[in-house]
Amino acid sequence: ELKVEQNPLFLSMQEGKNYTIYCNYSTTSDRLYWYRQDPGKSLESLFVLLSNGAVKQEGRLMASLDTKARLSTLHITAAVHDLSATYFCAGFQGAQKLVFGQGTRLTINP
Amino acid sequence: GAVVSQHPSRVICKSGTSVKIECRSLDFQATTMFWYRQFPKKSLMLMATSNEGSKATYEQGVEKDKFLINHASLTLSTLTVTSAHPEDSSFYICSANSGTSQPQHFGDGTRLSIL
Repeated sequence: ELKVEQNPLFLSMQEGKNYTIYCNYSTTSDRLYWYRQDPGKSLESLFVLLSNGAVKQEGRLMASLDTKARLSTLHITAAVHDLSATYFCAGFQGAQKLVFGQGTRLTINP
Repeated sequence: GAVVSQHPSRVICKSGTSVKIECRSLDFQATTMFWYRQFPKKSLMLMATSNEGSKATYEQGVEKDKFLINHASLTLSTLTVTSAHPEDSSFYICSANSGTSQPQHFGDGTRLSIL
């Protein structure tokens, strides 16, 4: 059964700094998703990574996938306050099932 | 495109009441819909998967008699929490996709509070 683990679970950082969230998964997953969740809200899809070495970027966020290491990363560049949220990665089990990590609560301080 | 609407967004009701939550795909046909539950400051846990016209498949530990799921059409699934109690209070989120291995599109969630 697929297990997905994120670290860190909590991250407090200053504006302008760079940081990386890590997502490890236990068995083969043919794709990896990243989502953002604001307090009291549902999920917003950020990235889907479909193959080994895949890299996707949107603004200050960049996600990558290493299927051999079973590792995905979400890198934040020059953080701004608006990026404060909880970030989830999710692997894909079987044909339909999303398995979520614990979430990383990111707080960006001015 | 790919909009999923969930209703209501918030419900507050007394213990013992049954509550129905609707999940609609507005601009695509949802062959599969998914129901998740999220406790405060926790991750999402899949409760069940439903295909149009079929019985839902429940995850281990989810009471099918407590959480009734109906997926009667390609655009609508409902989750009914029967005889709700305070421990059923949670954030419930639905999602839908248009086929196997297709991305899931998430509704806005329903915050259920049982007094």
